[in-house]
Amino acid sequence: GAGVSQSPSNKVTEKGKDVELRCDPISGHTALYWYRQSLGQGLEFLIYFQGNSAPDKSGLPSDRFSAERTGGSVSTLTIQRTQQEDSAVYLCASSLGLALNEQYFGPGTRLTVT
Amino acid sequence: AQKITQTQPGMFVQEKEAVTLDCTYDTSDPSYGLFWYKQPSSGEMIFLIYQGSYDQQNATEGRYSLNFQKARKSANLVISASQLGDSAMYFCAMRELMYSGGGADGLTFGKGTHLIIQP
Repeated sequence: GAGVSQSPSNKVTEKGKDVELRCDPISGHTALYWYRQSLGQGLEFLIYFQGNSAPDKSGLPSDRFSAERTGGSVSTLTIQRTQQEDSAVYLCASSLGLALNEQYFGPGTRLTVT
Repeated sequence: AQKITQTQPGMFVQEKEAVTLDCTYDTSDPSYGLFWYKQPSSGEMIFLIYQGSYDQQNATEGRYSLNFQKARKSANLVISASQLGDSAMYFCAMRELMYSGGGADGLTFGKGTHLIIQP
């Protein structure tokens, strides 16, 4: 079946603008994760959704970051007032739901803030 | 302190040789899982293999095996008969169970090893 999809694949934005990144998980996967990959910080976990439960937001790097998941499926990561340090590849992953199930990653969104 | 340490930033290996990628981890959680992912130059993260902390046997998946030494907190990935297509970044990751929450609900990744297979 289809894997995790993310859009857009690339996004260039000006500093101070808001951006929305979208993730469509594998059908039937109840858990959804957002990560960020940058040269300086490596791979960082951002936020996790299990079904329709409210997520733990403490992994988000600042209050400019927010995420939501509608209907237990598609998720949107929003970054407000983007800064140059937000430039990174944002990866989404999904899994069957148990904590130790393997996560399947999407192709990522490359965000460049100019 | 780093939870996942990969000490080999880069490795060159001759095609058809076996290769071992090192990974050590740090946790006081008795319940955890260890994962290896491959990231080719295309950027997508590909799941390779999983080892649970209570698993008695080392995990194997085709040419991949995980050398799990719990007392040493080591989870090295072994690739047998390497192929040119194995050239990629390899990441070791961990998920803790009991001490999750508070931003620890996702995988914690190491910095990766860049493996290059030479013909």
